[in-house]
Amino acid sequence: AQTVTQSQPEMSVQEAETVTLSCTYDTSENNYYLFWYKQPPSRQMILVIRQEAYKQQNATENRFSVNFQKAAKSFSLKISDSQLGDTAMYFCAFMGYYNQGGKLIFGQGTELSVKP
Amino acid sequence: GAGVSQSPSNKVTEKGKDVELRCDPISGHTALYWYRQSLGQGLEFLIYFQGNSAPDKSGLPSDRFSAERTGGSVSTLTIQRTQQEDSAVYLCASSLVQGRETQYFGPGTRLLVL
Repeated sequence: AQTVTQSQPEMSVQEAETVTLSCTYDTSENNYYLFWYKQPPSRQMILVIRQEAYKQQNATENRFSVNFQKAAKSFSLKISDSQLGDTAMYFCAFMGYYNQGGKLIFGQGTELSVKP
Repeated sequence: GAGVSQSPSNKVTEKGKDVELRCDPISGHTALYWYRQSLGQGLEFLIYFQGNSAPDKSGLPSDRFSAERTGGSVSTLTIQRTQQEDSAVYLCASSLVQGRETQYFGPGTRLLVL
């Protein structure tokens, strides 16, 4: 069974600094998808970034980028120039390519606080 | 366009009562998913629909939980004879098609069973 582990329950960063959130996963599949979702206090889960495992290039979305290490089964999220609005819970998620109906498997989450 | 909507936003009920949670997916999305978010269990996948069909119901926690989808659009998650351990945030998501597509989430329904 696939599992996703986020080993940092809480992190904090100063505004305008860079922070990296860690995520590791376990799977026997070769093709899959990885996601980072952000959940602010409003509860709305918002997609931050998506990575297809068959793509070697790391995904980027503005200030957000990932470091995808397939052999190490690691998928970290880097937030550059942190902003107060980045304060939220961040979830790493896995979806198998031959997935069970599109089931997302989530990590436990990392609560990020951006301090002024 | 409009995102995924869920109602009610919050629901307080007494143990033993039935509750219905509603999800309106993004227009044109054929796949719909239900997840539960609780302090003890984190985010759990409950069930998915492709159109009106739910091929796999094994993620539902007990036979008190059921879900249906009508017209390929609105879905309801029903919990019968609620228990205190059912207290959680119930999240709905939709995607263009089932599998491999990004899922877009609604704001969730926070259920509190007293």
